[in-house]
Amino acid sequence: DAMVIQNPRYQVTQFGKPVTLSCSQTLNHNVMYWYQQKSSQAPKLLFHYYDKDFNNEADTPDNFQSRRPNTSFCFLDIRSPGLGDAAMYLCATSPGTANYEQYFGPGTRLTVT
Amino acid sequence: SQQGEEDPQALSIQEGENATMNCSYKTSINNLQWYRQNSGRGLVHLILIRSNEREKHSGRLRVTLDTSKKSSSLLITASRAADTASYFCAAGGGSQGNLIFGKGTKLSVKP
Repeated sequence: DAMVIQNPRYQVTQFGKPVTLSCSQTLNHNVMYWYQQKSSQAPKLLFHYYDKDFNNEADTPDNFQSRRPNTSFCFLDIRSPGLGDAAMYLCATSPGTANYEQYFGPGTRLTVT
Repeated sequence: SQQGEEDPQALSIQEGENATMNCSYKTSINNLQWYRQNSGRGLVHLILIRSNEREKHSGRLRVTLDTSKKSSSLLITASRAADTASYFCAAGGGSQGNLIFGKGTKLSVKP
């Protein structure tokens, strides 16, 4: 089945230690998104790629970076995680931007100790 | 700032009853989408209604959109225990089509 896969499902990192979360898709979608969702809150868009074009949300901290080496894979790098970065990180894809549904992966729950 | 705001924040009903959730948003949209999220999991798309549509059905789901009031509602008919989840509305707008999610309604359906 075509899907969006996130690894790992659970990630524990230490305060200030860089961490990378990964997302892959078999849907061959042009757009890939990264969201941050804290407990009992709405998912918040961090950035997205349309093909290789990177689009950063204005309020996404510089501590968060992303890479998309090819259509299938997208990575979220957190350069120096703080306690406030503990959250569920959701990857999503869509065929295009306006008027398309998004397909979400299961998420990676990040704990910062 | 958040675009969508759901109401109520939590809803508890018995199996077989209908569940209605409301969403309000602030600016112009291309579409309004509803998603479901089971605890600790990713979101699943339920339905998309375009800004020029007023009502849409999918199985036991009925969504309405009132662009003059900047509001939408999701009705789940004949609810089942398996419908227990959080439901989010997401306003899609702009050339990028980015979604801005509301805080969600936590629905509990008791058998």
